[in-house]
Amino acid sequence: DADVTQTPRNRITKTGKRIMLECSQTKGHDRMYWYRQDPGLGLRLIYYSFDVKDINKGEISDGYSVSRQAQAKFSLSLESAIPNQTALYFCATGGKEGTFQETQYFGPGTRLLVL
Amino acid sequence: GENVEQHPSTLSVQEGDSAVIKCTYSDSASNYFPWYKQELGKRPQLIIDIRSNVGEKKDQRIAVTLNKTAKHFSLHITETQPEDSAVYFCAASDTGTASKLTFGTGTRLQVTL
Repeated sequence: DADVTQTPRNRITKTGKRIMLECSQTKGHDRMYWYRQDPGLGLRLIYYSFDVKDINKGEISDGYSVSRQAQAKFSLSLESAIPNQTALYFCATGGKEGTFQETQYFGPGTRLLVL
Repeated sequence: GENVEQHPSTLSVQEGDSAVIKCTYSDSASNYFPWYKQELGKRPQLIIDIRSNVGEKKDQRIAVTLNKTAKHFSLHITETQPEDSAVYFCAASDTGTASKLTFGTGTRLQVTL
C-alpha cells in the first residue's frame, strides 16, 4: 500500500529529544491511527482521529501527542523521548473501502531507537 | 474495553499441513474480526475478515470461523507453504468505537520443508 507513507523510516535519537513521526495517505480515508509494536505485545493503539478536528487517546498515550493537520496527514510527537519508547511505530488508515468500513490499512512503519 | 487473547504464540508446521490459530475476545457486542499477516520487516496486511453475522468465511487456502456464543474465532490455513511463514494477528472491533480495533499479541508461524 504505497498510498500510506511514513517518514522517517528509521530514526535514532537521544533521551530528552523531541521528535516527530509523520504519516500521509492518499486513500481519502477519514480515520487515522498510530500504533506501537513491541515484541510479544502486538499492536497497541496510541492515538486515533476520525477527522481533522477529532483527536482521541488510545491505550498508551502517555508521553505522546498528535496533530491532524489535514485529512491526509497525521503526525505523532514524542515530546521528550525516553529509551522505553524504542519500538516500531505504525500509522494506519480506515474508511469506507472494500467490504467493511472498520478495515484498517497500515503504513510501512518507522523504527525508532532512543539512546 | 475489549480484550483479545491469541494462542499459540508460536506454531511450527510442516509444509502441506494445516495450521490453526485461535483468539478469544471479551466484549460480546464486538462485531468485526480481521486477521493480519506480517512478514519479517513488513507492515501488517489484512488477509481475511469476518462480521459477527457470519459463522465462517473462506478465501482459497485460508478460512476464519467465528463462535459468538463462546466468543472465539480462529484462522485456518490449509496446505501450508513456506511463504505462509509470518506473524499473524487477530483483532476485534471495540463496540464503543466501532472503528477501533484491539489486537491479539500475535502468532509466529513457521512452515518447515
